[in-house]
Amino acid sequence: AQSVTQPDIHITVSEGASLELRCNYSYGATPYLFWYVQSPGQGLQLLLKYFSGDTLVQGIKGFEAEFKRSQSSFNLRKPSVHWSDAAEYFCAVGDNFGNEKLTFGTGTRLTIIP
Amino acid sequence: DGGITQSPKYLFRKEGQNVTLSCEQNLNHDAMYWYRQDPGQGLRLIYYSQIVNDFQKGDIAEGYSVSREKKESFPLTVTSAQKNPTAFYLCASTPGGMAYNSPLHFGNGTRLTVT
Repeated sequence: AQSVTQPDIHITVSEGASLELRCNYSYGATPYLFWYVQSPGQGLQLLLKYFSGDTLVQGIKGFEAEFKRSQSSFNLRKPSVHWSDAAEYFCAVGDNFGNEKLTFGTGTRLTIIP
Repeated sequence: DGGITQSPKYLFRKEGQNVTLSCEQNLNHDAMYWYRQDPGQGLRLIYYSQIVNDFQKGDIAEGYSVSREKKESFPLTVTSAQKNPTAFYLCASTPGGMAYNSPLHFGNGTRLTVT
């Protein structure tokens, strides 16, 4: 069964600093990978996705993520964070065996300090 | 603008009562999903429906029921059999693909508190 690990429960960064949120997955084949963001009390919004091709994918709000097969990772990055980036971030992985199984990580809460 | 509407935003019930959470979408999406979110946990799939009048159990369907009589509506009933119903419930949809390869569009959730 596939699994997703987000090792950092909570990260605090200064506004303007760079950001990297970690995501590791366990899956036999090439997975479908997603990053979602959730503001407090809201639903989730898709930031970016990787299905195939270029391993560096660009998303909305200036985020990017890199798929590294050798490390089973799909880390999310942003060169300079803004106060509005404070939220919870979820990595998710889907398999391609035709079922609806989309496994979410437990999330990383991002706090921005001025 | 198209989207998913979940109502109400907050819901309070006494233990032993059934309660129904509403989810309506005007995106013309075929597939709809219900997820449960608890603090410190990822989202867990309760039920999903890929077509009208058809739905399948997810990972944690016990104590829940759904219906899909119309394409745009997918209500979730939390029954008294659900042992720990207090949670944040999220409804989502996809255009026609599967959740594993098609981005989910989410509503803003319903926070259910059962005392």
